[in-house]
Amino acid sequence: DTAVSQTPKYLVTQMGNDKSIKCEQNLGHDTMYWYKQDSKKFLKIMFSYNNKELIINETVPNRFSPKSPDKAHLNLHINSLELGDSAVYFCASSQSVKQETQYFGPGTRLLVL
Amino acid sequence: DQQVKQNSPSLSVQEGRISILNCDYTNSMFDYFLWYKKYPAEGPTFLISISSIKDKNEDGRFTVFLNKSAKHLSLHIVPSQPGDSAVYFCAASEGTYKYIFGTGTRLKVLA
Repeated sequence: DTAVSQTPKYLVTQMGNDKSIKCEQNLGHDTMYWYKQDSKKFLKIMFSYNNKELIINETVPNRFSPKSPDKAHLNLHINSLELGDSAVYFCASSQSVKQETQYFGPGTRLLVL
Repeated sequence: DQQVKQNSPSLSVQEGRISILNCDYTNSMFDYFLWYKKYPAEGPTFLISISSIKDKNEDGRFTVFLNKSAKHLSLHIVPSQPGDSAVYFCAASEGTYKYIFGTGTRLKVLA
């Protein structure tokens, strides 16, 4: 049983398009995260939600909008995709906002052409 | 400004020997540190943690050492096994609220 799942695994799209990445966790965790790993392998946090409420919002363009319909899901919608958005996006979850251990999904490899 | 640094992008070790992966940080307020292991095409998986009240934490073959005065932590794997070949990330936070990750070290254990 996959603890944190992401769809799709691979996403190739044209500049200017709008796309969504879905994340689901079946661990019963309260807190979910989106990370971006760029070409230099930096793994940076983008957003964090705790019980469907936004608690971390790093300096991310407004084109990125997370949506948490319930605490088991945190989707990432990206408008007007740019070349620089090409990266691997990881979803993660933790028991609570103060829980040190985060469980990561397998990643979504986004390539913007 | 990169607050967590892993200066060795790669490391090769013979099977059975010790692997030492290093991590340096700049923010003296960091008080929780984690190591994650990542296989290709998978997400990082939690390996071991240490809080700033300790200077050592062991879990089986894995030991993490923390030197607060030097702002340095290291992960020791003894003995190293081929299945340990992966990318290892260290991460640090102030109060487990938001983790800053290093860029990773690729470990290759040679059979």
